Amino acid sequence: QPVLTQSSSASASLGSSVKLTCTLSNGHNMYIIAWHQQQPGKAPRYLLKLEGSGNYNKGSGIPDRFSGSSSGADRYLTISNLQSEDEADYYCDTWDSNTRVFGGGTKLTVL
Amino acid sequence: DVQLVESGGGLVQPGGSLRLSCAASGFTFSSYGMTWVRQAPGKGLEWVSGISDSSYSTYYADSVKGRFTISRDDSKNTLYLQMNSLRAGDTAVYYCAKLIAVADESDYWGQGTLVTVS
Repeated sequence: QPVLTQSSSASASLGSSVKLTCTLSNGHNMYIIAWHQQQPGKAPRYLLKLEGSGNYNKGSGIPDRFSGSSSGADRYLTISNLQSEDEADYYCDTWDSNTRVFGGGTKLTVL
Repeated sequence: DVQLVESGGGLVQPGGSLRLSCAASGFTFSSYGMTWVRQAPGKGLEWVSGISDSSYSTYYADSVKGRFTISRDDSKNTLYLQMNSLRAGDTAVYYCAKLIAVADESDYWGQGTLVTVS
């Protein structure tokens, strides 16, 4: 079963860009992952699904500031022109053998 | 629009039972597998259980296997999670989710319901 590794925290300044990373374990570098955002006190919200090729599919209403890219086992979420409302926890997840696997999440602070 | 609305959470004593419900709308419920995910206070997301369309198959995390039962009533567009033999470690917000294992379909989450075992 795949394991997803995320940095526990990240920070960036208002108006700048940040790139969050989700790394798939050995042997799973072609897996599709999903990125979800969880603002403080709220339910998670789906952002996008991201293939190993770098192709991604965003959810309805997700701003253009959010994009995805891939390199080997790494899956990236880039947020451009950071806004205060982007301060949140970001989780990646994937699926295998009818189960879902979540990364530990990255807490993004907007300075 | 897809909507998932959970209910049934609350305070229960260790060893007790609770049944969560999730009312779905805005999509053809019977055509999709559904999922329960939980989040303990201050912790990350944990997959709990999944059910295929038509209830053909059910799946459980090892932490809840033998204690929780997932089911669905397609005539009511409702997903359930029966939780028995509850433990303090089951305390969490429980989310109903439409998590689709397909690259070009979006996922959806409910607002969650809090279960406290104490």
